[in-house]
Amino acid sequence: GAGVSQTPSNKVTEKGKYVELRCDPISGHTALYWYRQSLGQGPEFLIYFQGTGAADDSGLPNDRFFAVRPEGSVSTLKIQRTERGDSAVYLCASSLNKLSEQYFGPGTRLTVT
Amino acid sequence: AQSVTQLDSQVPVFEEAPVELRCNYSSSVSVYLFWYVQYPNQGLQLLLKYLSGSTLVKGINGFEAEFNKSQTSFHLRKPSVHISDTAEYFCAVSDLRSGGGADGLTFGKGTHLIIQP
Repeated sequence: GAGVSQTPSNKVTEKGKYVELRCDPISGHTALYWYRQSLGQGPEFLIYFQGTGAADDSGLPNDRFFAVRPEGSVSTLKIQRTERGDSAVYLCASSLNKLSEQYFGPGTRLTVT
Repeated sequence: AQSVTQLDSQVPVFEEAPVELRCNYSSSVSVYLFWYVQYPNQGLQLLLKYLSGSTLVKGINGFEAEFNKSQTSFHLRKPSVHISDTAEYFCAVSDLRSGGGADGLTFGKGTHLIIQP
């Protein structure tokens, strides 16, 4: 079956622009996670959805970052007024439920110039 | 708050030699522990996890790890490595209070395992 997919695989944008990153979880997985991985670092937790609601958004760095999952499946991470420091690989993961293993997507590499 | 320390950023090992990748964590509560592997140009893949029970955990591809609560460690080992084991390895921790599952994981910085022929 299909794994977690993320689009685009690469995104280059100018400082100050708005970007949207998309995550398609494994079908039937109720839990969805976003992480950010900067160069030379491990993934850093951003936000966790259980169904349609954000169960934990404590990792979002500031109010420029926002994520939605309106139908409990696909999720979009939105970044407003991008800054060069936002450049990183954004990872999405999903799990069958809160008690199960997280399956990671290949990530979206965001470069802010 | 939790944290994970992977002291070795790179570990070079000869093929067929044993390897140990170190992981230490700190937490004010009990935790679950995980090792993930990231092969070049691929996503993170779970190698093994410790939730409860036996402190020696066996994972995929011949890897195993031992949970040591007194030393707050969860080192990863393999008795004989192969070229195909070349990858980035990440240790991660999850708060036990989450009810048994992995909410947001806290990752270490990773260890790059380099297998030399």
